Amino acid sequence: SQELEQSPQSLIVQEGKNLTINCTSSKTLYGLYWYKQKYGEGLIFLMMLQKGGEEKSHEKITAKLDEKKQQSSLHITASQPSHAGIYLCGADMTTDSWGKLQFGAGTQVVVTP
Amino acid sequence: EAEVAQSPRYKITEKSQAVAFWCDPISGHATLYWYRQILGQGPELLVQFQDESVVDDSQLPKDRFSAERLKGVDSTLKIQPAELGDSAMYLCASSLTGSKEQYFGPGTRLTVT
Repeated sequence: SQELEQSPQSLIVQEGKNLTINCTSSKTLYGLYWYKQKYGEGLIFLMMLQKGGEEKSHEKITAKLDEKKQQSSLHITASQPSHAGIYLCGADMTTDSWGKLQFGAGTQVVVTP
Repeated sequence: EAEVAQSPRYKITEKSQAVAFWCDPISGHATLYWYRQILGQGPELLVQFQDESVVDDSQLPKDRFSAERLKGVDSTLKIQPAELGDSAMYLCASSLTGSKEQYFGPGTRLTVT
């Protein structure tokens, strides 16, 4: 979706290093969902953010939603081979309870030894 | 742990043939989604069901695609006739009513030759 931009498109990180992925919208985000996808497989739910300034962490992954609710970042600390995959952000841009999620194009993460 | 089931996982078909995909959502999830994901892009919603009713099929190519969820549980997505451009991953997801926290199945990878 052109309304939701993910950056970078791909990145290569050495094992043990940190990485950050960004998801930016021109519209207010009423909900922001981070997913991970291994090639050829379904999406695995990681985290959901709804409030401006909200931050959530799970193991070595931290996600934040900015105060204006138009940008989110996903940060991985001390990356491991298990972190390799495609990370997608899905955004709820409506207050409609039937509103669909719009997804970014994804960021491919490669972790090298 | 409850999961969304999809079958088949892979399907190769010739253009102009009919093809069908099946999805069984997590038990108790009244909302069911069918997405199409083209390689290198994020998922795009094709159709959304609430129980047995369609609540959004605005992106479904209705001349060749159809979807049903007759008893409000499992669902079938059909393409007839298939075209080369239909080659993609077809993902099914489900959620509790009113929640946009969606859980995805493993997907069906369709190749049209």
